[in-house]
Amino acid sequence: DVVMTQSPLSLPVTLGQTASISCRSSQSLVHSDGSTYLNWFQQRPGQSPRRLIYKVSNRDAGVPDRFSGSGSGTDFTLKISRVEAEDVGVYYCMQGTYWPSFSFGPGTKVEIK
Amino acid sequence: QVQLVQSGAEVKRPGASVKVSCQASGYTFTNFDINWVRQATGQGLEWMGWMNPKSGNTGYAQKFQGRVTMTRNTSISTAYMELSSLRSEDTAVYYCAIIIVLPATVPPYWGQGTLVTVSS
Repeated sequence: DVVMTQSPLSLPVTLGQTASISCRSSQSLVHSDGSTYLNWFQQRPGQSPRRLIYKVSNRDAGVPDRFSGSGSGTDFTLKISRVEAEDVGVYYCMQGTYWPSFSFGPGTKVEIK
Repeated sequence: QVQLVQSGAEVKRPGASVKVSCQASGYTFTNFDINWVRQATGQGLEWMGWMNPKSGNTGYAQKFQGRVTMTRNTSISTAYMELSSLRSEDTAVYYCAIIIVLPATVPPYWGQGTLVTVSS
């Protein structure tokens, strides 16, 4: 199984500042088709997960452009610019490269200072 | 529209088994794998495994091999996840989900979750 790790696990952020979350995989996430299937999810308290980013850097429909993803190979980053109160929640990276097997990172809890 | 509707909450004793169902609608059931993901209270998302509704083929995360069984009944578009030898650490919300890799533009669909409580 591909192991996903994240840091930090807890991230207090001041409103309006930038939050940055790192995600690493135990194996390269470059698929044989050349794409990298790394996704980011947001889970607000009491809600089901919602995907924000797919294939490293593509935002899903309706996701504010304050959210951006980057990275390659085994190292990836999610940045949240101009953090707002509604961004509080837990953020997970998830690999889909080794579909049909998937794996999630442990999650990073974003809270407002 | 795609909908995944799960069975209700369960309370089980340690050592027992639980079987959670996930009824699909709004699409052709055999077109997409059903995945199972669980989340213990206050903990992260944990992928458990997948099942192909057309073939019945399955794949399980190493952690659950030998304890989980995923099956389906295509006549009623329903997937099942059975977890045996339950222990307190299995207390969690269990989700079924469709996670489509290609095309990558389609976001995952989630069931509403089923709370399984393991307690003596």
